[in-house]
This record gives sequence, structure tokens and C-alpha cells, in this order.
Amino acid sequence: TQLLEQSPQFLSIQEGENLTVYCNSSSVFSSLQWYRQEPGEGPVLLVTVVTGGEVKKLKRLTFQFGDARKDSSLHITAAQPGDTGLYLCAGARRSSNTGKLIFGQGTTLQVKP
Amino acid sequence: NAGVTQTPKFQVLKTGQSMTLQCAQDMNHEYMSWYRQDPGMGLRLIHYSVGAGITDQGEVPNGYNVSRSTTEDFPLRLLSAAPSQTSVYFCASRGIGGGNTGELFFGEGSRLTVL
Repeated sequence: TQLLEQSPQFLSIQEGENLTVYCNSSSVFSSLQWYRQEPGEGPVLLVTVVTGGEVKKLKRLTFQFGDARKDSSLHITAAQPGDTGLYLCAGARRSSNTGKLIFGQGTTLQVKP
Repeated sequence: NAGVTQTPKFQVLKTGQSMTLQCAQDMNHEYMSWYRQDPGMGLRLIHYSVGAGITDQGEVPNGYNVSRSTTEDFPLRLLSAAPSQTSVYFCASRGIGGGNTGELFFGEGSRLTVL
């Protein structure tokens, strides 16, 4: 059983389309992060959300943390081929300083020109 | 800046062989961890450490051992390799002074095949 469920697992769209990726759990997280991974490399942090209801924007990417801190979403506006990659959400379940992060299974995004 | 360095990048083992994946970081991070990545499974936590001499199990610890004798190094040992351990392994570290909000820095990964 995956603690963090991401959907969809695979998304193939045309350049210019909008998309949303979801990260859901029945558990409460003290913070949630989104990472992007390209083939042959390790994941790289995009954003961290901490407060319930928080919205952060990174150019064409909008991240939201659910009010109850159990879920998050990533919305991409006018997707570009350069957005192609694996998107991973990761959560920290407790506020203690263990640093332990649990990842979702990932969403593979393919943006076709 | 070296960041997180993993070796080897590729390894082929026979069933029953043992080996150690090395991980070193030069950022003075307290937290270090090992994940395995399999298709459709995301990243699953194997073991982690919050400082020298302190280690704990993650989601999938069976068949793996770790130790943390220094802040910089966190090797992962496969005691008796099995085909189910064929995977890509990532080492990652972060500072934990700010609680659970710090960026996790990853190595480039080690691709392991067990025949």
C-alpha cells in the first residue's frame, strides 16, 4: 500500500495544454515537496509547501497544499516539451527532526511538440 | 561542488554475491538515506540515518545493511544479492536543522542488476 498516491501515473499531452497532477494520502503531513527527475539523474526539488491551503507558483507551475495537509496538486499551464519528466511528491509525516521523507509512485509526463 | 557522490554507477552481480554501494556527501548534512527506484513504484526508502552512529529502517529494509561511522559516509550493503534487488539505488541527504522542510539532495544513482 502506497502512503502517498499520485495520479495519473502517466500523462501524454500536446505542447500548450494544461494539466494537473494529484498527490493524495489518508495521513497528515507536516510538509510536502515536489521533485522532478530526468532520465539518468536524481530528483531535483521544485517546491516545498508547509501550511494547509498554501499555494506556490514557479513560473507556469502552481502547487497547492490541501487545507487538511493530506493532499497536494501540481498544475502546469501551457506545457512545454521541456516539462517532460517524472514528477514525484514526497511527504514528511511528523514535525520531528528525523528528516524522513516518503515518496509517491510518481507521474511520468510526456509533452509532445 | 561535489554534493552527493555515489559509486559505482553500474554493477552486475550474481545471485548470492555481496557488495557495498558507497555514498558520500560534503555538505555536512545530518540526514542521509537510501532509496530504491523501480518502475511504477516511485522511490522507496530502504534505510536512513540522522547522524553518525544512528540508523533506522525505512519501508523496504530486508536484505540490506547500513552503517554511519562518519557524517560524510553512508554505505549500503547487500548481504546476499537476489534478483528482486535489481533496481536503481539513490543516496540522498539533507540538513535537518529546519525540521522537515529542507531540500533532499540526490546522487546520480547506482544501477544494479542481479542475475
